[in-house]
Amino acid sequence: VQLLESGGGLVQPGGSLRLSCAASGFTFSGYALSWVRRAPGRGLEWVSAVDSTDDSTYYADSVRGRFTISRDNSKNTLYLQMNSLRVEDTAVYYCAKVDGYNWNPFDYWGQGTLVTVSS
Amino acid sequence: EIVMTQSPATLSVSPGERATLSCRASQSVSYSLAWYQQKPGQAPRLLIYGASTRATGIPARFTGSGSGTEFALTISSLQSEDFAVYYCQQYNNFYTFGQGTKLEIK
Repeated sequence: VQLLESGGGLVQPGGSLRLSCAASGFTFSGYALSWVRRAPGRGLEWVSAVDSTDDSTYYADSVRGRFTISRDNSKNTLYLQMNSLRVEDTAVYYCAKVDGYNWNPFDYWGQGTLVTVSS
Repeated sequence: EIVMTQSPATLSVSPGERATLSCRASQSVSYSLAWYQQKPGQAPRLLIYGASTRATGIPARFTGSGSGTEFALTISSLQSEDFAVYYCQQYNNFYTFGQGTKLEIK
């Protein structure tokens, strides 16, 4: 199993960014996925989840209305569209594979991509 | 939202000794509790799920226990590679992580 995030970078407050997570080594369409972040000096924070078919999506209160999770099962790729970014969104963002359906633990994680929101 | 509280924030232990990390949930999560290990610059790794089941390839020195609101992770005979940050996570109602316990060499 491999999960490879991309799309991070430096963006100004109020700006947008789209993260991608390319997956391989498992039947992508059969598993739920999540995004988790770790801000500098802080712990892990769950951000968003999507079920295996993209029919149901879930968000932490801190990002609801600003972030959108989606997946393309034909491309084995997970996305996170981040709009109206704030300084407090600065973090390393990880994609994580769920061990089956939502709400189960994360059995595989990517290495993460750094998002820095700063003027 | 279920709040997860880990203690202590930092634990200093000598190699070869035992370490016990605690995690408390603000309401019952039954057995829906996982533990992860994270080292600097690395992705988190699943250690324990279902409160007490070791994930694939996890050594037997890692033991999880508890249910409801009180949980513990015990690492017997600490090895050098065990010094890291440990997080508990509930998955009974969405997902919530504890703030982490840093296990450092004494």
